[in-house]
Amino acid sequence: DQQVKQNSPSLSVQEGRISILNCDYTNSMFDYFLWYKKYPAEGPTFLISISSIKDKNEDGRFTVFLNKSAKHLSLHIVPSQPGDSAVYFCAARSGAGSYQLTFGKGTKLSVIP
Amino acid sequence: EADIYQTPRYLVIGTGKKITLECSQTMGHDKMYWYQQDPGMELHLIHYSYGVNSTEKGDLSSESTVSRIRTEHFPLTLESARPSHTSQYLCASSERYEQYFGPGTRLTVT
Repeated sequence: DQQVKQNSPSLSVQEGRISILNCDYTNSMFDYFLWYKKYPAEGPTFLISISSIKDKNEDGRFTVFLNKSAKHLSLHIVPSQPGDSAVYFCAARSGAGSYQLTFGKGTKLSVIP
Repeated sequence: EADIYQTPRYLVIGTGKKITLECSQTMGHDKMYWYQQDPGMELHLIHYSYGVNSTEKGDLSSESTVSRIRTEHFPLTLESARPSHTSQYLCASSERYEQYFGPGTRLTVT
C-alpha cells in the first residue's frame, strides 16, 4: 500500500509560468517532508523540505506548502525554467527516531520554452 | 552538500556472476542507504546503516548484502546475479533527514 502518492505522472508547463506538483500521504506519523529532483541517469538531488510544524517553506523559486489536515503537500516553482524539466519525487520521514524516507513514484515535469 | 560516489555507473553482467557495487562518501555522514529504483516507480529502500558495523534490511526484500566497516564506505554485494536484479541502484548518505544521493549504478543482468 503506497503511503506517499503522486497521482500525476507528468506535467507540462510553459516557461515563465508556475509549476505546481502535488503529493498526498496516508501515514499520520510522517513529520518531515522533502522534495527531490532527478535528471535521467543521475541520482536524485535534494531541493527543499518542510517540517510538519510549519505550513510553508520557501527557497528562491521553490516553495513547499503543507496541509496536514488534508495530508497534502505541494511544490510550487515560479517562474518555471527549461532546466527545471526533470522527475520530481516527494518523500516523507517515518517519524521520531527514524531516518528512513518513503518516496512517491514521481512526477515528470516538462517546461516548454 | 555531500559528495557521494558510486562505481561502476553502468554494468552488464551474465547470470550467476558475483558483483559488488561500490559507494563512498566524503562528508563523514553516519547514515548510509541503498535504494533500488525501476523506471516510473518509487525508490525502494533495500539496506541502511546508522554507523560502522551496523546494517539493517529495508522495506524491500533483497537478495543482496551490505557491509559497513568504514564510515565512508558502504558496498553492496550480489552473490549470484539474476535477470530480476536488473534495476538502478542508488546509494545515499545523511547527517539528519536530508539524504544526498550518488549518481547511481544501472545494472543489467543478461
